[in-house]
Amino acid sequence: GAGVSQSPSNKVTEKGKDVELRCDPISGHTALYWYRQRLGQGLEFLIYFQGNSAPDKSGLPSDRFSAERTGESVSTLTIQRTQQEDSAVYLCASSLVGRGDTEAFFGQGTRLTVV
Amino acid sequence: TQLLEQSPQFLSIQEGENLTVYCNSSSVFSSLQWYRQEPGEGPVLLVTVVTGGEVKKLKRLTFQFGDARKDSSLHITAAQPGDTGLYLCAGRVSGTYKYIFGTGTRLKVLA
Repeated sequence: GAGVSQSPSNKVTEKGKDVELRCDPISGHTALYWYRQRLGQGLEFLIYFQGNSAPDKSGLPSDRFSAERTGESVSTLTIQRTQQEDSAVYLCASSLVGRGDTEAFFGQGTRLTVV
Repeated sequence: TQLLEQSPQFLSIQEGENLTVYCNSSSVFSSLQWYRQEPGEGPVLLVTVVTGGEVKKLKRLTFQFGDARKDSSLHITAAQPGDTGLYLCAGRVSGTYKYIFGTGTRLKVLA
């Protein structure tokens, strides 16, 4: 596709259940980012990938959160035993990594609601 | 832990007024980007500033990177209702491709 695609766009889950959020980056983009955005606030860094490796996982809030990337393409963010404080929009972005700064292209996000 | 604080958090102004949004940190960043986000959408890049003291203009928007590369400002001249949105700064952590986002400034321009 032309842009970053995230699925599902909306997810309502019961407290304690596991959820998987998917991100399909722009083809050829080597860097992939996950951010969390609470209502009306800025973006909270979770994790980023260069290729299939994650040089920095420091933003993952707890061990209930994990992410992987395969084939230098699709990434999955998994939240286990969801809690109400996990409710937020989860945004994925991808960019070309090379010399200097490049533009990160964002998906429209997955709105997660834990009830 | 690098943090980027933006001020003001909220701003509501009349069409035609000027405004400045600030992005401050105690950490040094390799570069700084400004994004604008509209409801239900992901952020979209406005500009990247790389050199300390750099000033970039994009039509009615002027961006400045502080001399010490710890802060930045966004100035909008003669704001229009179409400028309404959430403005986010993002700093690149030196030696990495990790970007830390600011706390955001929500701007509303009234016609």
